[in-house]
Amino acid sequence: SQQGEEDPQALSIQEGENATMNCSYKTSINNLQWYRQNSGRGLVHLILIRSNEREKHSGRLRVTLDTSKKSSSLLITASRAADTASYFCATAFLGGNKLVFGAGTILRVKS
Amino acid sequence: DTEVTQTPKHLVMGMTNKKSLKCEQHMGHRAMYWYKQKAKKPPELMFVYSYEKLSINESVPSRFSPECPNSSLLNLHLHALQPEDSALYLCASSQPLGTGELFFGEGSRLTVL
Repeated sequence: SQQGEEDPQALSIQEGENATMNCSYKTSINNLQWYRQNSGRGLVHLILIRSNEREKHSGRLRVTLDTSKKSSSLLITASRAADTASYFCATAFLGGNKLVFGAGTILRVKS
Repeated sequence: DTEVTQTPKHLVMGMTNKKSLKCEQHMGHRAMYWYKQKAKKPPELMFVYSYEKLSINESVPSRFSPECPNSSLLNLHLHALQPEDSALYLCASSQPLGTGELFFGEGSRLTVL
């Protein structure tokens, strides 16, 4: 399967702590994206990192990409209760024309 | 607020009913998508339209029939569904078909009795 694998499957932290989620994939990519989904809602795009980039920041989000290890991580700093959601990585494979979503990480931030 | 609007938000139908899900976007995007999502699972791609033509059909059963009347509208016609088709159906749009950012609607929660 081309689907990305995410870990952990679930993560529970206290407000103010940092949360790190990881995504691994199997074949070469054009880009990798992260999305957030609040319970029962649509997905919201967070950040896109291209295969020639190693790190990107957006507000409290930091994404890294290691193409040699075929992996990416999403770091949320100073987490808030409102960050409670499911987070999905989505990979755009080289030569492909669609995104493939990983299994997701469920993040719970306790206040 | 999402710029992709889906209706209805909730739909309950029997296995012999015919119903439709609707999606609208006004961002000028030329690619539109239908995804199916079961609880605690990632979205699964069903169909992609590019410039109003069906570009990708992920071997979806014929009881699901997509339609793209114009560049802003996307429908999913439902007929003779099974209880296992109960799921959240998500519409998305993007710039011309590719692998860029997707803009999702809030979804239509479908229950098949």
